[in-house]
Parts: sequence; C-alpha cells; structure tokens
Amino acid sequence: AQSVTQLGSHVSVSEGALVLLRCNYSSSVPPYLFWYVQYPNQGLQLLLKYTSAATLVKGINGFEAEFKKSETSFHLTKPSAHMSDAAEYFCAVTGSKNEKLTFGTGTRLTIIP
Amino acid sequence: GAGVSQSPSNKVTEKGKDVELRCDPISGHTALYWYRQSLGQGLEFLIYFQGNSAPDKSGLPSDRFSAERTGGSVSTLTIQRTQQEDSAVYLCASSLRVDRRPYEQYFGPGTRLTVT
Repeated sequence: AQSVTQLGSHVSVSEGALVLLRCNYSSSVPPYLFWYVQYPNQGLQLLLKYTSAATLVKGINGFEAEFKKSETSFHLTKPSAHMSDAAEYFCAVTGSKNEKLTFGTGTRLTIIP
Repeated sequence: GAGVSQSPSNKVTEKGKDVELRCDPISGHTALYWYRQSLGQGLEFLIYFQGNSAPDKSGLPSDRFSAERTGGSVSTLTIQRTQQEDSAVYLCASSLRVDRRPYEQYFGPGTRLTVT
C-alpha cells in the first residue's frame, strides 16, 4: 500500500522568496514519486518525477525536488517565487508498475506581490 | 502532438439520469486511467486500462460506474442513475504503458459533472 502526506494545505510566499512544499510518502515497495501542478480549471501538468535515478530531480519552471529515503520525503522547492507559480500542487506516488497514482491532498500556493 | 482530450468539458444532469464521459488518449499510449477530483475526497483513482483490458477496477465507487475502452484508444466512463455525490471533475490520463518502469501519466483537462 502507498500513501502521500502533504503538510500544509495552503502556503503563501512573497514574490522572489523561496518556495518549499512538503511531501512525505509511505510505500511497501520502492516508490516512484511525482509532483504535478494544477492551474484553475485545468488538468494536471507534470512538474518532475523521481524514478530511482538521481535523488535530486530538476523539473520545469525552475522547480526541483530531492528524494530522501531516510526521511521518506520528496519536498518541492524553487529558489525564487514568481507570480505565475500560484496554483495547486499535488505530490503523487506509484509502485513499479505504474498501475495508478496515489495523490496527496494538495497544497495551494499563493504568491504575495 | 495532441494531448489527452476529454468531452464534454462540462456536463449538468439531473439526478437519476445516466451520463457518458469520453476520453481520447495520446496516440500510441496503451495505458489509460480515470481519476475523480472532488472537494471532499481529493484526487482518487477509479480504473485503469492496459490496452482494452481493465485489470484494476477497485477504485470504482459503486456498480453504477462502469468503463470501457475499445480499439486500444478511446475510453468511455458511464455513470448510471447519477446521484448528487457523483458531482466532481473526472480526469483522464494516459501513459505509454503499464510496465516495470513507471511512465509519466499525462492528464486531460477533465469533465466537470454537476448533478442537480
């Protein structure tokens, strides 16, 4: 069984500040982890993925995430927030066969001008 | 190339009616997934297809829900005798395949279903 916990349903940061969105996972098999972003009234867009290669993963729009097995974490970061980053972010986990994604409850990111 | 498309984008129906939601996956993608997004339940898995087969139907919330896929391409999610709790955004995703290596799932824009 797999699960994901996203700490903080709402996060607000100032424009230009560091963005940190937290994700912790639980998995009985080696996990594959994803971050997706959802803009209002749109589907989910893949930001980045961890598939057991490099533990530091770089994605689109300047985002990156680090897989830490010892902490069962896969936190999403961006050094400098931009107004266009305002959206909802979902962390997701799957097992080796990609049969389904299990999502966290999401974090809504607000950027303060 | 074209992404995952879903139709209709919005559907309003009366309680008790049947609805069909359609998904066109990315060309060449053999795996197709249905998820539901609602305020109370978040994003939840419903069913996936590898080709035309659905090995895992465990996420379908009741026997009023069914899905099929024909020709390894288009999929239809059918909800019979709709209830107000069925109101949600239904998202479809596709990926190259279900395999030992997980491939990215690409999502469509969703169908917003409102049951009145």
